[in-house]
Amino acid sequence: NAGVTQTPKFQVLKTGQSMTLQCAQDMNHEYMSWYRQDPGMGLRLIHYSVGAGITDQGEVPNGYNVSRSTTEDFPLRLLSAAPSQTSVYFCASSWDGTQYFGPGTRLLVL
Amino acid sequence: AQSVTQLGSHVSVSEGALVLLRCNYSSSVPPYLFWYVQYPNQGLQLLLKYTTGATLVKGINGFEAEFKKSETSFHLTKPSAHMSDAAEYFCAVSNAGGTSYGKLTFGQGTILTVHP
Repeated sequence: NAGVTQTPKFQVLKTGQSMTLQCAQDMNHEYMSWYRQDPGMGLRLIHYSVGAGITDQGEVPNGYNVSRSTTEDFPLRLLSAAPSQTSVYFCASSWDGTQYFGPGTRLLVL
Repeated sequence: AQSVTQLGSHVSVSEGALVLLRCNYSSSVPPYLFWYVQYPNQGLQLLLKYTTGATLVKGINGFEAEFKKSETSFHLTKPSAHMSDAAEYFCAVSNAGGTSYGKLTFGQGTILTVHP
């Protein structure tokens, strides 16, 4: 099993550009989540999903969209990138409450 | 709403000394509690978790934590630090069951430094 995979590993954007961060898992987990990590703030939940077709907002959802058309994939879309979205983004999946994390995507918005 | 407070953003110990990383939580319902470790430029790896049952839980790499409901604490300990334990440690809480399985609330993190 590859576990949770994320692409790209690193991305540089200009303010106003849009992009999609990809996340996939091969463990058949129902639950998937997106977090951002900023120094001194731990990880904060952006959006999460409890199954295909069902998503909900977390603590910091503004500026991000998600959809979940399959169990395996949970992409995160930045609609119009802002410097405040410079961060490291982690995707996670779970079936019993224990979340398993991907390696992360480091995003720099100029 | 849930919250997690990790006391001390930086902890420094000598190799062979006791490691104690403090975590206090607030939750209106019985919590699930987790400790994760993050090595530089890597993702988060689960160290241990408490869901139900025995309040002293053992994890990987010799770490353990004790759930104390009366103190709302879940402190992480290791009897003897090793150089390879140097990393950032995160305490996290979620509610048990249902849609809560998709939501973790994290503490701010504690960076552990181990001196020779």
